[in-house]
Amino acid sequence: QKEVEQNSGPLSVPEGAIASLNCTYSDRGSQSFFWYRQYSGKSPELIMFIYSNGDKEDGRFTAQLNKASQYVSLLIRDSQPSDSATYLCAASNTGFQKLVFGTGTRLLVSP
Amino acid sequence: NAGVTQTPKFQVLKTGQSMTLQCAQDMNHNSMYWYRQDPGMGLRLIYYSASEGTTDKGEVPNGYNVSRLNKREFSLRLESAAPSQTSVYFCASVNTGGVYEQYFGPGTRLTVT
Repeated sequence: QKEVEQNSGPLSVPEGAIASLNCTYSDRGSQSFFWYRQYSGKSPELIMFIYSNGDKEDGRFTAQLNKASQYVSLLIRDSQPSDSATYLCAASNTGFQKLVFGTGTRLLVSP
Repeated sequence: NAGVTQTPKFQVLKTGQSMTLQCAQDMNHNSMYWYRQDPGMGLRLIYYSASEGTTDKGEVPNGYNVSRLNKREFSLRLESAAPSQTSVYFCASVNTGGVYEQYFGPGTRLTVT
């Protein structure tokens, strides 16, 4: 069983809608969580990180963390076609510098 | 700043050939990483270097060797390439200022025939 699980998708949403991307993790020692966006043929780029329970907002993006449920999510408000990409969830155990990545969820935003 | 750079961008090898993938960062990061990315498998850690002079195995180290040449450079060597090593390879470096945010290079697309 992979330590970080994501639905591979594709998740299809219309332009302007809210896209909700989900991720679960198995290692209860995980302390920091990251969302990366990866366009086809490109390298991952960091969108957000979160390490406290609750919500963290940055522009159109909101990351949510629930450590009791071992669940991380990313909400994208007012989705745009340019948001179409694969979103990678990653977890890090405090004291280590290694990230464990999920396989990613492909998001398609239609005009 | 160029960030994280990788060479080459593309490479085709025959089975049994060797090659070295180069990675350099100019952000004064202590830690550097090599990942491979395969369809449906996500990013998997091959080796990492927490600091200059140290290297450690990741999830899939077999068939690879690494060298942390100095603080800036971290190379990945395939001694005898196999078709199973066909993949996209990413180098990354980490800002260890508290959050471990990783910055990725542009990747090397390797095909082994």
